[in-house]
Amino acid sequence: DAGITQSPRHKVTETGTPVTLRCHQTENHRYMYWYRQDPGHGLRLIHYSYGVKDTDKGEVSDGYSVSRSKTEDFLLTLESATSSQTSVYFCAIKRAGNSYEQYFGPGTRLTVT
Amino acid sequence: DAKTTQPPSMDCAEGRAANLPCNHSTISGNEYVYWYRQIHSQGPQYIIHGLKNNETNEMASLIITEDRKSSTLILPHATLRDTAVYYCIAPLGSSGNTPLVFGKGTRLSVIA
Repeated sequence: DAGITQSPRHKVTETGTPVTLRCHQTENHRYMYWYRQDPGHGLRLIHYSYGVKDTDKGEVSDGYSVSRSKTEDFLLTLESATSSQTSVYFCAIKRAGNSYEQYFGPGTRLTVT
Repeated sequence: DAKTTQPPSMDCAEGRAANLPCNHSTISGNEYVYWYRQIHSQGPQYIIHGLKNNETNEMASLIITEDRKSSTLILPHATLRDTAVYYCIAPLGSSGNTPLVFGKGTRLSVIA
């Protein structure tokens, strides 16, 4: 357990509405990640952050934005939710150094109707 | 990431060793092999990683061939709770900064 929480854990929203998912960590890790997971696609990276205000795009970043104004929180925003963004979203952190050990949160199940 | 190839599914009897293979023939000399697993509806869980020597921890053992083109993750006494999708990943470079790319993995079913 790397002290990662995600909120909300479940959300149903309508097409066209903005949605923000929150990832919170308690251990001051520098790197944080947002992934989505869909049947048949596995885990895909949306955005990641390598420090406060430092973010970069992943494989499937269209339609998503992120913000990291403090170390412990990494926010993922769906600016105008679409049904194709129905998915399970996982946040992850990486401890310092040159390791690729990532630790994942419990996930957020988002349904866009 | 170096391309990895894993069988889509495997079965293992409870209490027996589960041996999960992974091919990574394009891996570079300084690139590690990482293994994660994902139990249904949970976030992925880091298991183990290695460069060229065999590695063991409380969860599993990792055997890497001498030419580093393939590896095997061994769960020595599989239990029903080991039923999961197992991912073999060879991240690009050794800086730790390159995002991981998860493939489709191997779905391991442990059978009572």
